[in-house]
Amino acid sequence: QVQLQQWGAGLLKPSETLSLTCAMSGGSFGGYYWSWLRQPPGKGLEWIGEINYSGYTNYNSSLKSRVTISADTSKSQFSLKLTSVTAADSAVYYCARDPYSNYFDYWGQGTEVTVSS
Amino acid sequence: EIVLTQSPGTLSLSPGERATLSCRASQSISSNYLVWYQHKPGQAPRLLISAASNRATDIPDRFSGSGSGTDFTLTISRLEPEDFAVYYCQQYGSSPLAFGGGTKVEIK
Repeated sequence: QVQLQQWGAGLLKPSETLSLTCAMSGGSFGGYYWSWLRQPPGKGLEWIGEINYSGYTNYNSSLKSRVTISADTSKSQFSLKLTSVTAADSAVYYCARDPYSNYFDYWGQGTEVTVSS
Repeated sequence: EIVLTQSPGTLSLSPGERATLSCRASQSISSNYLVWYQHKPGQAPRLLISAASNRATDIPDRFSGSGSGTDFTLTISRLEPEDFAVYYCQQYGSSPLAFGGGTKVEIK
């Protein structure tokens, strides 16, 4: 059974860099896209970006200038960095697996990130 | 850009009852590429249905999806206690991906 376990800092100050990591177990890292999504309080889900085994990345155009997604295939892990955070970046962040279909068949449990001075 | 509107916002039902959830798109979804997720607080969201009507692996047959074009429905034939959760639809037929705002199914 595929499981995604995610972790990272939950409280940031404005202008800091958000950093989250997601570890996959129970399946193959290759053959999928590995994505990050977020859900601000009271708002809908937003796709942030994705990476595949070969390191190809694709980002939401609205966040592209601040986002980097990377992967360590030897550990079946992938990471999200979002620079220059503001209060608008406060959200629950999720990692998820995309079977090359643009939907998500396995998700992490979510990490709540709050940006506050 | 496709906008998905889910209704109702909250559905109050008793175990054993039938739940009917709606997801309406602002324009036709290509190839009926719509999925449904179940989300319980503190847990990972769970894929229920893909391509509007295909149950995902290990999803009980009390969950069914239907619809095409702009109107889609998730039906839970008989609610079990573990089915009380928030349900989201998502379209993946065109970019950008879009999610609905969710329907909360709560115990009456």
